[in-house]
Amino acid sequence: DTGVSQDPRHKITKRGQNVTFRCDPISEHNRLYWYRQTLGQGPEFLTYFQNEAQLEKSRLLSDRFSAERPKGSFSTLEIQRTEQGDSAMYLCASSPPWTGGSANEKLFFGSGTQLSVL
Amino acid sequence: SQKIEQNSEALNIQEGKTATLTCNYTNYSPAYLQWYRQDPGRGPVFLLLIRENEKEKRKERLKVTFDTTLKQSLFHITASQPADSATYLCALAPLGTGTASKLTFGTGTRLQVTL
Repeated sequence: DTGVSQDPRHKITKRGQNVTFRCDPISEHNRLYWYRQTLGQGPEFLTYFQNEAQLEKSRLLSDRFSAERPKGSFSTLEIQRTEQGDSAMYLCASSPPWTGGSANEKLFFGSGTQLSVL
Repeated sequence: SQKIEQNSEALNIQEGKTATLTCNYTNYSPAYLQWYRQDPGRGPVFLLLIRENEKEKRKERLKVTFDTTLKQSLFHITASQPADSATYLCALAPLGTGTASKLTFGTGTRLQVTL
């Protein structure tokens, strides 16, 4: 179990540029989540995949944000035309298939990508 | 609207004492509640899950209680150590199929354990 891997760890970009982050979940986990976290706040849900299907998107996710999980394994999160307000830690998490109840409902997080928009 | 409240002020405690962190919620009927630990610059790490029909859960030096009448969970670390210093997040999820996607996090409480 190598854990959830995120790349890059840090990204500095200029306002208006596009950025893409990658997440590699734990291999047997079919569920993948993206969260955003700003300083002093808890993680805020962005979107959820089950296998390759994007099943949920937060209303907070503007049209500039898009996420994919083309083969049901790794996922990418792209932000187009970045704004200073996009500066945050972007966290990816995965969890195993749901088997009923709450036994598999814990999330395994990666170390995140810290985005700074100048 | 749904609200999850954790004490935003840091909790400072002496090594060896019991640390108690609080998570209160309103306008929510959670199926279960989770606690995570987060170190600076890292992602949260799962610690414990307690279901709405459970009153208490223990794991080594950790204990969680869940009072659905008071709408409150308490998280205890006994015999605290400097290595326990971190931010602790509570998270709630509603009833339903595969509800980890609906997990809502509190803002976290920073714990500092000193010698």
